Amino acid sequence: EAGVAQSPRYKIIEKRQSVAFWCNPISGHATLYWYQQILGQGPKLLIQFQNNGVVDDSQLPKDRFSAERLKGVDSTLKIQPAKLEDSAVYLCASSAQTGKNTEAFFGQGTRLTVV
Amino acid sequence: QQQVKQSPQSLIVQKGGISIINCAYENTAFDYFPWYQQFPGKGPALLIAIRPDVSEKKEGRFTISFNKSAKQFSLHIMDSQPGDSATYFCAAAIYSNYQLIWGAGTKLIIKP
Repeated sequence: EAGVAQSPRYKIIEKRQSVAFWCNPISGHATLYWYQQILGQGPKLLIQFQNNGVVDDSQLPKDRFSAERLKGVDSTLKIQPAKLEDSAVYLCASSAQTGKNTEAFFGQGTRLTVV
Repeated sequence: QQQVKQSPQSLIVQKGGISIINCAYENTAFDYFPWYQQFPGKGPALLIAIRPDVSEKKEGRFTISFNKSAKQFSLHIMDSQPGDSATYFCAAAIYSNYQLIWGAGTKLIIKP
């Protein structure tokens, strides 16, 4: 079974520029999560999708961050404009959420450096 | 009330020893407590998880101990091996929505 795919692996941008990350979840997984992991901290949930609908985006800084999940499969997370404090690893995860199987599987992440 | 507090921040254990990482939570609505293992450059991977209906769960060398009244849970790694060197995160969630609240992580180093 293929895992969660993310791209790019690394991205360096200047502040005030825009950037987009892409995630392809495990086939058949209805739930998709985007997390932000700042160095030395645990992941923080940014947004959760169930199919193509948003379940929770309460911690997404909506003035600069946006995310979409077209057709309930792939997802993109965009930052515009980026700030220095956005430097972090952005993790995508997916889960089947069927019955008792709610384990979330994580991709390798995209490491963003804003300079 | 949504926080999960994890300690220690870092831990060095000799090969063959027992590694112990502790977590505490406040929200009594949490009913799912997983531990994740993360290697450098990789995403976190589920290691073991417990629901509050049991006080202990063991999978191989990994054991979760859970104390509902104290709102604490811990991970014990028996016979620790150099390959166990990684960052370990505890988390908590309400099982029905699986929105994980994460601890800050423990960097574990197993010395040969």
